[in-house]
Amino acid sequence: GAVVSQHPSRVICKSGTSVKIECRSLDFQATTMFWYRQFPKQSLMLMATSNEGSKATYEQGVEKDKFLINHASLTLSTLTVTSAHPEDSSFYICSAPRGDTEAFFGQGTRLTVV
Amino acid sequence: GNSVTQMEGPVTLSEEAFLTINCTYTATGYPSLFWYVQYPGEGLQLLLKATKADDKGSNKGFEATYRKETTSFHLEKGSVQVSDSAVYFCALSDSSSASKIIFGSGTRLSIRP
Repeated sequence: GAVVSQHPSRVICKSGTSVKIECRSLDFQATTMFWYRQFPKQSLMLMATSNEGSKATYEQGVEKDKFLINHASLTLSTLTVTSAHPEDSSFYICSAPRGDTEAFFGQGTRLTVV
Repeated sequence: GNSVTQMEGPVTLSEEAFLTINCTYTATGYPSLFWYVQYPGEGLQLLLKATKADDKGSNKGFEATYRKETTSFHLEKGSVQVSDSAVYFCALSDSSSASKIIFGSGTRLSIRP
């Protein structure tokens, strides 16, 4: 079964509103989680590294004020897309490493901004 | 920086056909290499991996060999099944963090009965 749960799987929101996506590690603790974004027919691009108890580390070109990341516990990281616009429509996916050998991925969230 | 280039899809094959999905990489240091699979409606799953040159990863009849001299990690399967229909991603671990994964663009595979 899944070891990383991501919710919701699909969301449609209006322009200007904010959307929160949750990523949970189900049977292990994750001090670090990763958030990716995938545009149609393109690769998954790393957006940021979520660090439990401290600020997230964002990749170059990712607006930290637009994509707010909170890693408040050892099993939960959240990504909030603030003031969403249609160009934010995408597939967002999180991952959590267990140990040093493998990263487990959530099911992904399809965000559509209308 | 590190990057992964993989064969563009979609790829459509008949059941029991031989499959190859090409993947090449650019990296500093000695990354680990992975193939991930995403079945319809599901999250990414690790299919196989190789952590050093000449290693062969294998799982569910799929295999890939870490070729440092050609910087390649091609995915192969001798006889595909309808249940293999999915999107396949080649990936490598970033040298700064073994858990930070850099992906190729993905290849959609469809198998006809």
